[in-house]
Amino acid sequence: ENVLTQSPGTLSLSPGESATLSCRASQRVTGNFLAWYQHRPGQAPKVLIYGAYRRAAGIPDRFSGSGSGTDFTLTISRLEPEDFAVYYCQQYGSSSFTFGQGTKLEIK
Amino acid sequence: QVQLQESGPRLVRPSETLSLICTVSGGDISSYYWSWIRQPPGKGLEWIGYMYFGGTTNYNPSLKSRVSITGDASKRQFSLSLTSVTAADTAVYYCARGHWLVYYFDSWGQGNLVTVSS
Repeated sequence: ENVLTQSPGTLSLSPGESATLSCRASQRVTGNFLAWYQHRPGQAPKVLIYGAYRRAAGIPDRFSGSGSGTDFTLTISRLEPEDFAVYYCQQYGSSSFTFGQGTKLEIK
Repeated sequence: QVQLQESGPRLVRPSETLSLICTVSGGDISSYYWSWIRQPPGKGLEWIGYMYFGGTTNYNPSLKSRVSITGDASKRQFSLSLTSVTAADTAVYYCARGHWLVYYFDSWGQGNLVTVSS
C-alpha cells in the first residue's frame, strides 16, 4: 500500500496569507495520479487538483499543485475565509486508492 | 450535472451487514467508475472500493473479505454491502464518481452516517 503522509497536521494562517501543504508518498506515485481535495464540515469533499497539477473545473487559480514522484505540494495563495477547511491528498496505483490523513487549515 | 445520493439505514447492529444504495441522477453512468469512500468520526478518508457498470470491481485489500459493490444500470444505482460489521465500521459513507485514466473523484454524495451499535 502506498501510504501518504501529509504535513503539517494543522496550519494556522490569516486571510490574505499563502498556505503550503505537503503530501509525501511511501512509494513513487505512478503516472502522477495525485489529487487534492478540500473538505468542509458537513459537506462532501471537493476536488481541487488532479494529475498533480491540473486544476479541476471551476477552481480558482489561487489553488495550484506541484510535485512528482513521491513529493507533492498544494499551494493556496491569498487565503480567503472559505479556504479554511481540511485538505486531503489522494493517489492511485496498483489498482488501489489511498488518502493522506489530512491537513487542517485554520484561521490564526 | 451529475448528482449522487446515498440512502440506507443509519444504525446497524454488530455482526450484521451494512447495506447502502447510491442513486445517480444526470450524466453518463457507463464511462466512469463508481466508488464508496468512508470517514470514521474524527479520522480521514478511506477508499472502500469501486465498480464499473461494465462489470469490473476492485476493493481495498483491508476490507476485501467483507465488501461487495454491485450496480443496477436500469435504476442508475450502485450498492455497498459490508458484512460482519463492528464499531470500527461506524463512519460517514460517501458514494463518488471517478474518472478512468486520471483516477480522481469529481462528484460526491452528501454522505450517510452509519453507526454500528447494539
